[in-house]
Amino acid sequence: ETGVTQTPRHLVMGMTNKKSLKCEQHLGHNAMYWYKQSAKKPLELMFVYSLEERVENNSVPSRFSPECPNSSHLFLHLHTLQPEDSALYLCASSQAGLAGGPVGELFFGEGSRLTVL
Amino acid sequence: DQQVKQNSPSLSVQEGRISILNCDYTNSMFDYFLWYKKYPAEGPTFLISISSIKDKNEDGRFTVFLNKSAKHLSLHIVPSQPGDSAVYFCAASARNYGQNFVFGPGTRLSVLP
Repeated sequence: ETGVTQTPRHLVMGMTNKKSLKCEQHLGHNAMYWYKQSAKKPLELMFVYSLEERVENNSVPSRFSPECPNSSHLFLHLHTLQPEDSALYLCASSQAGLAGGPVGELFFGEGSRLTVL
Repeated sequence: DQQVKQNSPSLSVQEGRISILNCDYTNSMFDYFLWYKKYPAEGPTFLISISSIKDKNEDGRFTVFLNKSAKHLSLHIVPSQPGDSAVYFCAASARNYGQNFVFGPGTRLSVLP
């Protein structure tokens, strides 16, 4: 496999459920990202992991909990979500520079479409 | 306040003609810009990038122009093809400052046969 793979592609959950989104990159990158795409809004950066350390958390509610066990895998644990959290969740990877930000383009997975009932 | 703006939510162009997608930014520290293309139910795909030391970058049918004084960039697609119909996102970063990408809201391009 190549690129960035996300599972599941679709997820429907109730507000009391606990679920996880998984992302795996096969590009040898050292930074991974979670983005949220809601209808008619720009892509919103949620979390950044660079060299397996969380370097950015953009005021995301605690009901979203990221985990990066190694440079190739990234999870987003979901707990007690709200219907307004329904969106497309995109994982991306890149090579991070010494200054911390990406030195090249982001490579995105195909996304996990989340519906919260 | 959006740092990256794409003021046209949608654009329709006839097949074979030129498509011009526009993007404006407010942060003068941005030094690296990218365009992404997104089909429904798929993740964004990188198209083309430009560094602030250039004012033009070309790759096949795609050309990006950067006007730093106006804080404006544009993506030209010529000739446009029906397969180009997608949402196009502009993104910017202050790469030398280690900042992550900021995305615009996207422009939906429809290329009519």
